[in-house]
Amino acid sequence: DTEVTQTPKHLVMGMTNKKSLKCEQHMGHRAMYWYKQKAKKPPELMFVYSYEKLSINESVPSRFSPECPNSSLLNLHLHALQPEDSALYLCASSQERTGELFFGEGSRLTVL
Amino acid sequence: GESVGLHLPTLSVQEGDNSIINCAYSNSASDYFIWYKQESGKGPQFIIDIRSNMDKRQGQRVTVLLNKTVKHLSLQIAATQPGDSAVYFCAETSKAAGNKLTFGGGTRVLVKP
Repeated sequence: DTEVTQTPKHLVMGMTNKKSLKCEQHMGHRAMYWYKQKAKKPPELMFVYSYEKLSINESVPSRFSPECPNSSLLNLHLHALQPEDSALYLCASSQERTGELFFGEGSRLTVL
Repeated sequence: GESVGLHLPTLSVQEGDNSIINCAYSNSASDYFIWYKQESGKGPQFIIDIRSNMDKRQGQRVTVLLNKTVKHLSLQIAATQPGDSAVYFCAETSKAAGNKLTFGGGTRVLVKP
């Protein structure tokens, strides 16, 4: 079982909705990540938080807004999404800057 | 730009046989490599990693080989089992890249009974 917990597992939203994806880890990891994965494609990095500060933003549109309230939690706020944003959103954490990433099961998002 | 890629999108293997999954990378500065397994409906799961100061590392039924000369990485699975059916991704990073892990395209392994 993964030690990175993501909620909700499934989310359906309209293009005018505001929703949030949540991620939690209690492994004491200080780096947390959001990845986006389309069907039959590899995960693509969106954001990296290191010691609760945003360290990498891979030119993600502003309709995706990450937040790291504390070292165990990572949120992804969604607003005015497009149907092409439908994907599996994966959260991960790691202990070191170049260490093993532990992934959650993902939140499958459908934008209507 | 720099990339990590796989040659075979699908690999069919008989149960009990050995599987070999290949991966090419282009960033000569890459110094840490990981293989992940992703089962349907789940997140990627760590299998094995290797650092650039090694050319071989073994785990339980898995072996990763790294050839830095030709920038090639492979994953060998011994005595492939039905539970090994999944998509396998290689991933790489470097000190310069910091936390940025770049994934290859993925290979689907289908184990035939």
